[in-house]
Amino acid sequence: SQQGEEDPQALSIQEGENATMNCSYKTSINNLQWYRQNSGRGLVHLILIRSNEREKHSGRLRVTLDTSKKSSSLLITASRAADTASYFCATGASGSRLTFGEGTQLTVNP
Amino acid sequence: DTAVSQTPKYLVTQMGNDKSIKCEQNLGHDTMYWYKQDSKKFLKIMFSYNNKELIINETVPNRFSPKSPDKAHLNLHINSLELGDSAVYFCASSQDGTGQETQYFGPGTRLLVL
Repeated sequence: SQQGEEDPQALSIQEGENATMNCSYKTSINNLQWYRQNSGRGLVHLILIRSNEREKHSGRLRVTLDTSKKSSSLLITASRAADTASYFCATGASGSRLTFGEGTQLTVNP
Repeated sequence: DTAVSQTPKYLVTQMGNDKSIKCEQNLGHDTMYWYKQDSKKFLKIMFSYNNKELIINETVPNRFSPKSPDKAHLNLHINSLELGDSAVYFCASSQDGTGQETQYFGPGTRLLVL
């Protein structure tokens, strides 16, 4: 079954608000990654957090990882209309492929 | 310069036809992948090649045959196309295919089988 499950499936907010997306997974991982997919485009890597890390920042992005709960969250602060996209988490284990979640569709209204 | 490129971008064809999608990466990566994304945006890996050798072959009908002439190219040939093959196909690459590094995606090929 799918390793990563994201919540919510869809999120609609106003520009300037923060957006939080969650990802849960089932088995042990080596790392967890977040990707963005704009409509009609390929996936773009946002951030990678390793299993021994708890939090990571990149610009307006903040990712947390709780391996005891097998969950991660992606926070986008001060959202912009250009942040409208689908966001996917992907989990990686040693020696194996990345497994992608089903994505959260974020809509940021101007 | 585009890191991972795919051609064609759009492909509309009749059931039963044979078609190919090409992928090239100029990142010097050792591993390349093919993914299928369905209408619900679920992304599923199909194949992975490391240095021209097949390392992942998911449960994919044998009508799908990947070919890697060199480590910078991974093409996907599909025989006897079916309606259910309609999807977006993404090529990706990564440095070593361990599942511990970033993957770089192409823009996708939108396949519609009529």
